Amino acid sequence: SSELTQDPAVSVALGQTVTITCQGDTLRTSFATWYQQKPGQAPLLVIYDTNIRPSGIPDRFSGSSSRDTASLTITGAQAEDEADYFCFSRDTSPNRLEVFGTGTKVAVL
Amino acid sequence: QVQLQESGPGLVEPSETLSLTCTVSGASINPYYWTWIRQPPGKGLEMIAYIFYSGSTKYNPSLESRVTISLATSKNQFFLTLNSVTAADTAVYYCARRRSYCSHGSCYGLIDYWGQGTLVTVSS
Repeated sequence: SSELTQDPAVSVALGQTVTITCQGDTLRTSFATWYQQKPGQAPLLVIYDTNIRPSGIPDRFSGSSSRDTASLTITGAQAEDEADYFCFSRDTSPNRLEVFGTGTKVAVL
Repeated sequence: QVQLQESGPGLVEPSETLSLTCTVSGASINPYYWTWIRQPPGKGLEMIAYIFYSGSTKYNPSLESRVTISLATSKNQFFLTLNSVTAADTAVYYCARRRSYCSHGSCYGLIDYWGQGTLVTVSS
């Protein structure tokens, strides 16, 4: 099955910019979706189709992709952005379920 | 407003069967996919299975021999059973809606609505 690898943790100063990456072979041909998860809560969809924000998601969240890596950028991070972030995409085998990335814990200092 | 609610026992004994129900409100089962996802404490997310409103299913190969997903369209519910559980099956179990979208000539799935999750502990 496919693997989507993320850095375990990153930190960002309040108001600054942070980029989270997700690496995997499937991303060479598939778009990434991004979820935010706060402690004790279900994940929340923040980006899909590489860079589309669902209604209600602030425009400080943006996505991009290059070769085998998808990225989620938070421009002007707020305290409420402190959370775990997971990428999500198709498995390299088309007959398998989608897979989640390993997750990145973002700390806003 | 689409809402999903998991229900079922919070404690299951080793070797027994875990059974969960997800009740959907604010949306019809048709024409979506419905999925179960789990998250062991402090760990990442794992898709277990999904079922299309028509009844077709897809399973995680690592769990397929022990898992069944089913639905009751008239009740707007779907279900998960996981047999022969061990401590490794201890996790928060989420039910969720998976929908498809197509972009640049390919189609993808995404999870757009989640239940709040229910912790299932496997222990004697």
